[in-house]
Amino acid sequence: GAVVSQHPSWVICKSGTSVKIECRSLDFQATTMFWYRQFPKQSLMLMATSNEGSKATYEQGVEKDKFLINHASLTLSTLTVTSAHPEDSSFYICSARPWTGGSQNTQYFGPGTRLTVL
Amino acid sequence: GQQLNQSPQSMFIQEGEDVSMNCTSSSIFNTWLWYKQDPGEGPVLLIALYKAGELTSNGRLTAQFGITRKDSFLNISASIPSDVGIYFCAGFSSGSARQLTFGSGTQLTVLP
Repeated sequence: GAVVSQHPSWVICKSGTSVKIECRSLDFQATTMFWYRQFPKQSLMLMATSNEGSKATYEQGVEKDKFLINHASLTLSTLTVTSAHPEDSSFYICSARPWTGGSQNTQYFGPGTRLTVL
Repeated sequence: GQQLNQSPQSMFIQEGEDVSMNCTSSSIFNTWLWYKQDPGEGPVLLIALYKAGELTSNGRLTAQFGITRKDSFLNISASIPSDVGIYFCAGFSSGSARQLTFGSGTQLTVLP
C-alpha cells in the first residue's frame, strides 16, 4: 500500500523557536498534500492544503505566517511552526493524495508528529 | 466546516462480538473511506468505497456505500483485542471533491 512518512515523530522545543516537520510520500507521487492538527479525543482538523509548485491554501483561522508550508517536490511537503508557543503543542498529521487521474480519490496519512512546546 | 455524523461515539464490547458503526451526511458523497487510528499514530486506511451500493470486505471488516450516497457503515466481525482504537469515517462530497470530510470518530474498546 501507499506509505507516507513524517519526521520527526516527536519534538520538544522551547517557546519562541521554530520547528520544521517533513512529510514524504515514499512510493507514490502526490500533487496534493494536507496538514492536519489533532487535539486529544477529537477528530482531525484540516489546517492547510499543500499543492506542489504553488502556494498552500489555508483554512479559516489558521495563520499562514505562523504555519509555513512548502511543497517543493511531488514527494515532499514541509510544515514549519514559527515562533512556537505552548498553545501550539499538538499532534500534527500530514496526508497525501496519489494522482489517479481524477478517479478513485483517497488519502494516505503519515504517522503524525507530536509537538511539545515548553 | 462540514462534518459527518458518526455513531456511536464509543463502544465497549466483548472479544468475539461483532461491531457496527455508521456515518451519515446531509449531502451526497462520491467517496467513503474508513480509517483506524491507534493512540499516537496517524489514521490507517481500512476500506475505500467509490460506488453507491458498493460492499467491500477487508478480512473481518466489511463496509458499504449507501444507496442514497449519504451514508456508509463499517462492520467488524469476531472482534479481537487489537481492534481497539478510534475508527473514523471520511469522504469526499460531490460539492468538495478535493477536501476530505471527517466523522467525529468511534472509540472501540474490546474487553477480554
